[in-house]
Amino acid sequence: GAVVSQHPSRVICKSGTSVKIECRSLDFQATTMFWYRQFPKQSLMLMATSNEGSKATYEQGVEKDKFLINHASLTLSTLTVTSAHPEDSSFYICSAHYTDTQYFGPGTRLTVL
Amino acid sequence: KQEVTQIPAALSVPEGENLVLNCSFTDSAIYNLQWFRQDPGKGLTSLLLIQSSQREQTSGRLNASLDKSSGRSTLYIAASQPGDSATYLCAASSGGYQKVTFGTGTKLQVIP
Repeated sequence: GAVVSQHPSRVICKSGTSVKIECRSLDFQATTMFWYRQFPKQSLMLMATSNEGSKATYEQGVEKDKFLINHASLTLSTLTVTSAHPEDSSFYICSAHYTDTQYFGPGTRLTVL
Repeated sequence: KQEVTQIPAALSVPEGENLVLNCSFTDSAIYNLQWFRQDPGKGLTSLLLIQSSQREQTSGRLNASLDKSSGRSTLYIAASQPGDSATYLCAASSGGYQKVTFGTGTKLQVIP
């Protein structure tokens, strides 16, 4: 139980385009989901907390207009990287809250050319 | 502020050896601690989850222990195999489930 999926697992895009990443809780409902990113040789860092039906809460230094988060249902949160640039290339991971634990998706590797 | 440290950053062992990976955290009031593996260029795979009330968890050749008082967790891998080669991350949840702090990982190489 408590499985979280992400789609796509890998994406390569051109600079200036937008990319959407989906995070789904497969066998439970999650009122709260989280988005993390990992730069090379660094730890995973929290970007934002997403609550179903309300605006996301962003960590300091994360541009809310660049990283659009939508949590429209209890099983789906999306992260859209708008006007992506090479410096946005990273590993993005989501997690979903269930029984007082965060369960993590496998992650999405974004490469912006 | 919780800080999570993993030492060593890299480890190379011959196949068949038993090994221990270390994870230290500064705030002992953790909610739970998770161990993950991350293969090169790929995603996270959850290995073990230890709740604060537990002392250890086992899955196959893996055993994770938790000592909150000393701020340490260890991941024991028995009879290591080349397929165990990956980066191992620990993550401590403190202040409830909402705050998860990851370590920077230990890169393990098991040599055939």
